[in-house]
Amino acid sequence: DTGVSQDPRHKITKRGQNVTFRCDPISEHNRLYWYRQTLGQGPEFLTYFQNEAQLEKSRLLSDRFSAERPKGSFSTLEIQRTEQGDSAMYLCASSPTTNSGANVLTFGAGSRLTVL
Amino acid sequence: RKEVEQDPGPFNVPEGATVAFNCTYSNSASQSFFWYRQDCRKEPKLLMSVYSSGNEDGRFTAQLNRASQYISLLIRDSKLSDSATYLCVVLSNTGGFKTIFGAGTRLFVKA
Repeated sequence: DTGVSQDPRHKITKRGQNVTFRCDPISEHNRLYWYRQTLGQGPEFLTYFQNEAQLEKSRLLSDRFSAERPKGSFSTLEIQRTEQGDSAMYLCASSPTTNSGANVLTFGAGSRLTVL
Repeated sequence: RKEVEQDPGPFNVPEGATVAFNCTYSNSASQSFFWYRQDCRKEPKLLMSVYSSGNEDGRFTAQLNRASQYISLLIRDSKLSDSATYLCVVLSNTGGFKTIFGAGTRLFVKA
């Protein structure tokens, strides 16, 4: 296993279009997180899954954002009707829930979104 | 008020200096604490976990004060390669596990 994979790495889209990002976590990790990061800020929590269940969703996440993890493995984050303010790096992370690595997040390289 | 607050810096220090970063958190139910390091245009990576008794990893020392809801990171004998953003991270279990990052403290170590 090579770590957390995210695709695409870069996405440029026009305002109003829909975009979808995919995250493949480390296979034995059952928690998966999505964060958004803008320049000069720390990662901002969006949502997290334990297996296929979405257990927490940020109040900051508008209805245009939806995330799924249908089989408890990979996850997708969709943004509908993109706005320029959605331009950011979207980071996915996973973590185990047991042993010494519990709650330690391993991040993917991120998907950078630019909305024109 | 932000859930996790850090001094954004930047801290500009010479090689060999000792530098300390502080972080405060607002949720008294927070359970786990970490410092992550983020290099420019890279993803965050775990630097070290923070334990109640304090812990050390080489040149890095982390401390936690639960009563004051305060976390610190001390870097001794700074190296050029320590230049990065240091993120204070807090995990709370208030009905769900939520890992919150501070905005980060930027460190520049100069020769």
